[in-house]
Amino acid sequence: AQSVTQLDSHVSVSEGTPVLLRCNYSSSYSPSLFWYVQHPNKGLQLLLKYTSAATLVKGINGFEAEFKKSETSFHLTKPSAHMSDAAEYFCVVSDPGANNLFFGTGTRLTVIP
Amino acid sequence: DTEVTQTPKHLVMGMTNKKSLKCEQHMGHRAMYWYKQKAKKPPELMFVYSYEKLSINESVPSRFSPECPNSSLLNLHLHALQPEDSALYLCASSLPQGLNEKLFFGSGTQLSVL
Repeated sequence: AQSVTQLDSHVSVSEGTPVLLRCNYSSSYSPSLFWYVQHPNKGLQLLLKYTSAATLVKGINGFEAEFKKSETSFHLTKPSAHMSDAAEYFCVVSDPGANNLFFGTGTRLTVIP
Repeated sequence: DTEVTQTPKHLVMGMTNKKSLKCEQHMGHRAMYWYKQKAKKPPELMFVYSYEKLSINESVPSRFSPECPNSSLLNLHLHALQPEDSALYLCASSLPQGLNEKLFFGSGTQLSVL
């Protein structure tokens, strides 16, 4: 069975400091993993996607994530937070041929000026 | 054009009303989705259309009725809703190879049922 656990419901960082949003997954197959961002009252936007190519995935807006099979993790990072990064972030897992995506419960990122 | 357009952005309706949510995309995507998102929760899949045919219905109550009149349009017809149906309704589209593909989301319709 597939599932996703986002370890922090809320992360707060100062502007210009690194961001780490943690995600652990469970999947019976080689999973596809995604990070989506949702700004208030907006739809979701794909940040990046892992599909068994390079384990370090670079996304938009300076975000990247590293797939670690041994740790079943797919943590999202950014070297320097910007005020515009304040949003809700969802880690998502799918498996080949799946008929659904499995969303984590989300992590709300606050960026302090 | 890489947008999914949803109308209206906000909707307030009574429990006896009939209303429709609309979604449109012109990216040539042949898979379209309806999600429901309650406040501070992740989106929950409701329906999936693939090549204009309903392929997934996640046990959604019949007061929600989806329709895909053509490859660019997706509607969600609402009738006799309950207050607990108040939520953000998100439309998404993708290439039809399954949910491993990138989803493009609209900005949603914020629905309030009184």
